[in-house]
Amino acid sequence: QVQLVQSGAEVKKPGASVKVSCQTSGYNFDDYYIHWVRQAPGQGLEWMGQIKPDGGYKVYLQGRLTLTRDTSTATVYMDLSSLRPEDTAIYYCARDGQHYGDSEYWGQGTLVTVSS
Amino acid sequence: QTALTQPPSASGSPGQSVTISCTGTGSDNHVSWFQQHPGAAPKLLIYDVVKRPSGVPDRFSGSKSANTASLTVSGLQVDDEGDYYCCSYLGSGTYVFGSGTKVSVL
Repeated sequence: QVQLVQSGAEVKKPGASVKVSCQTSGYNFDDYYIHWVRQAPGQGLEWMGQIKPDGGYKVYLQGRLTLTRDTSTATVYMDLSSLRPEDTAIYYCARDGQHYGDSEYWGQGTLVTVSS
Repeated sequence: QTALTQPPSASGSPGQSVTISCTGTGSDNHVSWFQQHPGAAPKLLIYDVVKRPSGVPDRFSGSKSANTASLTVSGLQVDDEGDYYCCSYLGSGTYVFGSGTKVSVL
């Protein structure tokens, strides 16, 4: 079965970087886009970016975000730099299907806390 | 990017229907809807405006007119309580979520 398993919670200081992993299994890694979505405490969902693992096609909304992938381990990574307290959020990875936005499979979420 | 506009809350009694609007969607039919329970990851309910993934009951239905999409939940059940988000494809590989609607079953 399709699974997306994310790395554990992180606590970072302002100005630092964080790297969250999303290890996938149960399907052909190259074939489906992976999205990253975050949710600040008590707030709504915010789309951040996506990556297609086969050729590395990437789109992201802000310059502090970098998405990479490791095909040998079927893992996608989200790197967010120059962290600010307002980046405190749960970060989710999600896998699309064959259609735009049909993200049926989600990771469990990773809490990133940014605090001095 | 500005979030799509959803009403902050909606409610209904068990067995009734509730409809949630989502304004500001793109001109194509790439609109999805997600349900989120507290402490859980979002769950896909609808994609491409009207399509349901397997396993999602037909009590959940979607529609779209011009730049406003809607989600209707019929035959409300207690388990339908939660937050609902629309999501629209904007082109150039980018997406935007709605502001979210908290649904209460009275």
